[in-house]
Amino acid sequence: EIVLTQSPGTLSLSPGERSTLSCRASQSVSSNYLAWYQQKPGQAPRLLIYGASSRATGIPDRFSGSGSGTDFTLTISRLEPEDFAVYYCQQYGSSPLTFGGGTKVEIK
Amino acid sequence: QVQLVESGGGLVKPGGSLRLSCAASGFTFSDYYMSWIRQAPGKGLELVSYISSSSSYANYADSGKGRFTISRDNAKNSLYLQMNSLRAEDTAVYYCARVGWVAAVFFDYWGQGTLVSVSS
Repeated sequence: EIVLTQSPGTLSLSPGERSTLSCRASQSVSSNYLAWYQQKPGQAPRLLIYGASSRATGIPDRFSGSGSGTDFTLTISRLEPEDFAVYYCQQYGSSPLTFGGGTKVEIK
Repeated sequence: QVQLVESGGGLVKPGGSLRLSCAASGFTFSDYYMSWIRQAPGKGLELVSYISSSSSYANYADSGKGRFTISRDNAKNSLYLQMNSLRAEDTAVYYCARVGWVAAVFFDYWGQGTLVSVSS
């Protein structure tokens, strides 16, 4: 089973700042099959990125994904008030599919 | 627009059973794999199960093997999860989610979830 470790656990930033979230896999993720989701309190997760770097439908271009192999990054270029949330990565390159433990981006 | 609406959650005693349903609309249901994902209170996400578009294949997390059964009715645009022998650790919000691509199991649309509480 591929274990995904997200860091940091919590990121305290101000609106307008750049945010960089890390997702590290215990083994190489096949075909860079890595997705990112955003979850706000009381809401369902929303797909942001799939295939490590492809934005999902309707996702603003301030969100970008990068990386390959075992190291992946989600970058939010300029934080908007609605971006403060918890972010999860998920690998779907091998079974069982696994999620990371999440990074909370909070207002500083 | 894509809509997924879960129902069937509630309070159940350990050892009991529950059947969750998910009503889908806004897309051709029979073209997509579908899944159930859960989230324990204050915790992260865990894939429970997913099923192919024709019901020919289903995958289960170890935590639910032998206890949970996923199924679908394409004529009714509905997805189901039968949960038996429930345990306290099954307490979670259960989300229905559409699988984005065949054989690339990420989740592009999610319902709002239904809460399952297992307690005596």
